[in-house]
Amino acid sequence: AAGVIQSPRHLIKEKRETATLKCYPIPRHDTVYWYQQGPGQDPQFLISFYEKMQSDKGSIPDRFSAQQFSDYHSELNMSSLELGDSALYFCASSLSGLNTEAFFGQGTRLTVV
Amino acid sequence: DQQVKQNSPSLSVQEGRISILNCDYTNSMFDYFLWYKKYPAEGPTFLISISSIKDKNEDGRFTVFLNKSAKHLSLHIVPSQPGDSAVYFCAAGATQGGSEKLVFGKGTKLTVNP
Repeated sequence: AAGVIQSPRHLIKEKRETATLKCYPIPRHDTVYWYQQGPGQDPQFLISFYEKMQSDKGSIPDRFSAQQFSDYHSELNMSSLELGDSALYFCASSLSGLNTEAFFGQGTRLTVV
Repeated sequence: DQQVKQNSPSLSVQEGRISILNCDYTNSMFDYFLWYKKYPAEGPTFLISISSIKDKNEDGRFTVFLNKSAKHLSLHIVPSQPGDSAVYFCAAGATQGGSEKLVFGKGTKLTVNP
C-alpha cells in the first residue's frame, strides 16, 4: 500500500539559507500535518491543511510557511535557517473526519550548519 | 505546558513478559488517543487508538486502557518481543473545537531483552 512520501530524506543547509520540504500524502487523504522533532524531543505540531486550506497552526516560526496544493501534496518552506532548526520534520496524512489515525512519512532530517 | 505526559523515558522488560507503557494527559477536551511506535530514522507508525467512549481496545498483542477520570491511558504489550524495542509515543486529539492536530508525549523507549 502507498504510504506518505517525504522528500528529501536528508538535507544539509547553511545558516540563513532556505529549504523546501515536500510531502505526498496517502492517495485520497485530504489532510496533511507537519511536525518537527528535535533531538530527544517529542514531535511538535507545526501546521496542518485540510482541502488545501490551513486548518490549524501550532508552534511554527514566522520564518516558515507551508501550503497544500491541488494534488494534496504539501510543501514546508523554511527561510533564514538557524542552527536550532536542525531536526526531523515529519509529515502525516489522514482522511478527513476526526478520530482517524494519521499516518506518518519517514521524515526529512534537516541539518543546519 | 506538557498536555500529554509520558513520565518514563525508558522501560526494559524480558522477552515474553508484559510491557506497560503509561501516559497521562491534562486537557479534558481530549477524546481520542493513539499510540505510535517509532524506530530510529523512521517516521512514527500508528499502533492502536482508543476513543473516550471506550475504556479498552485490543488488537492482537496490544491493548490500550483508558481511565478518563484519572486522565490516564496505558499500552500493554503481551507477550513482549525483541522486535517491539522502539520508542512509543502517546498522542491525543480533541474532536470538538475544530482542531485536528495531535499532541504528543515525549515518548518512552522500550527495550525488550531476549
